[in-house]
Amino acid sequence: RKEVEQDPGPFNVPEGATVAFNCTYSNSASQSFFWYRQDCRKEPKLLMSVYSSGNEDGRFTAQLNRASQYISLLIRDSKLSDSATYLCVVNNNQGGKLIFGQGTELSVKP
Amino acid sequence: NAGVTQTPKFQVLKTGQSMTLQCAQDMNHEYMSWYRQDPGMGLRLIHYSVGAGITDQGEVPNGYNVSRSTTEDFPLRLLSAAPSQTSVYFCASSYRSEDTGELFFGEGSRLTVL
Repeated sequence: RKEVEQDPGPFNVPEGATVAFNCTYSNSASQSFFWYRQDCRKEPKLLMSVYSSGNEDGRFTAQLNRASQYISLLIRDSKLSDSATYLCVVNNNQGGKLIFGQGTELSVKP
Repeated sequence: NAGVTQTPKFQVLKTGQSMTLQCAQDMNHEYMSWYRQDPGMGLRLIHYSVGAGITDQGEVPNGYNVSRSTTEDFPLRLLSAAPSQTSVYFCASSYRSEDTGELFFGEGSRLTVL
């Protein structure tokens, strides 16, 4: 089993739609969780951290469920510019190793 | 503000050749790392360093060497290139090693091994 697993998609949605991505992790000792965004043929960039109480940044909401070892990202009112690959990232607390999921591709259509 | 700089951006090698991917950061970050990204595999950690003089292996270290003689530089050496090492390589750095939340990535180095 992979340490961090995501549905690779692609998710094809119309502008204005709400879309949710899920991610599961296998190491119950993991303490830190993040979502990164990667545009085509570009480097990944931090989108947002995921806190235990859940957190929101504009149209983006991240949730953590430690009991189920599950992280989610919700994007409301999708824009064309949201088209990218979204990477779930977990710090497995072994000397600072960040483990990346394989990414979920999102394509927002007009 | 350069951030993380990787060179070269593109490279073609023949099987058995060796080469070094360079990575430099100007943010005084403690933590530096190398990832490779392959289709459907996500980013996989090759090697990382929590400070000058300290390196450790990641998930896929075989065939690669690293060193960290200065805070700024973290080169990745391919000892004897193989077609399986065809990939996109990313160098990344972070301010703190114990809570490496925000990684700053270089633009990537696209390597093809024939």
